[in-house]
Amino acid sequence: ETGVTQSPTHLIKTRGQQVTLRCSSQSGHNTVSWYQQALGQGPQFIFQYYREEENGRGNFPPRFSGLQFPNYSSELNVNALELDDSALYLCASSGGVGADTQYFGPGTRLTVL
Amino acid sequence: QKEVEQNSGPLSVPEGAIASLNCTYSDRGSQSFFWYRQYSGKSPELIMSIYSNGDKEDGRFTAQLNKASQYVSLLIRDSQPSDSATYLCAVNGGDSWGKLQFGAGTQVVVTP
Repeated sequence: ETGVTQSPTHLIKTRGQQVTLRCSSQSGHNTVSWYQQALGQGPQFIFQYYREEENGRGNFPPRFSGLQFPNYSSELNVNALELDDSALYLCASSGGVGADTQYFGPGTRLTVL
Repeated sequence: QKEVEQNSGPLSVPEGAIASLNCTYSDRGSQSFFWYRQYSGKSPELIMSIYSNGDKEDGRFTAQLNKASQYVSLLIRDSQPSDSATYLCAVNGGDSWGKLQFGAGTQVVVTP
């Protein structure tokens, strides 16, 4: 059974640029959730995708957007990067609505200069 | 007001002792509760899930849930240096089903 994978591991961008982060869900899981974790804080929910549809969104601006593909992999896109976007971005997969245990990938460390 | 609250620590625990971690939550409709362990620079790793009032044991870990008091705890028995990490409490359900709400985490340091 393959776990959750994310790419890239680390990324450095400058303010104003755009970034795309990728996530492959665990085998058999059809739901992907994205979280942002700033240093010293708990993860904050960005949004969730279930069967290619957005299924809930946290308190993040529209410049944070996402996609889920038919194979349940997912992308997180962030436009017009700001310094405060520097964080660990976590992807978690779960087995669908009602199967709510979420398993995290290794994360992508984004640094915005 | 924070929706999930944890003591930030650090919680210093002698090797072999019991570490006791606490978490309170504000959404009375919450239905699922999780404890994750996070080593420095790594992603959260699931330790326990609990859904019903009472205790749930898994090896050296015991989760306790009291929905009336909106309180969930984690006990780590026979603490080992490898248990040194940040422990995150996460809550799911109520009006935010599918969205895990995390506390800021409690740092545990197990001293030999």
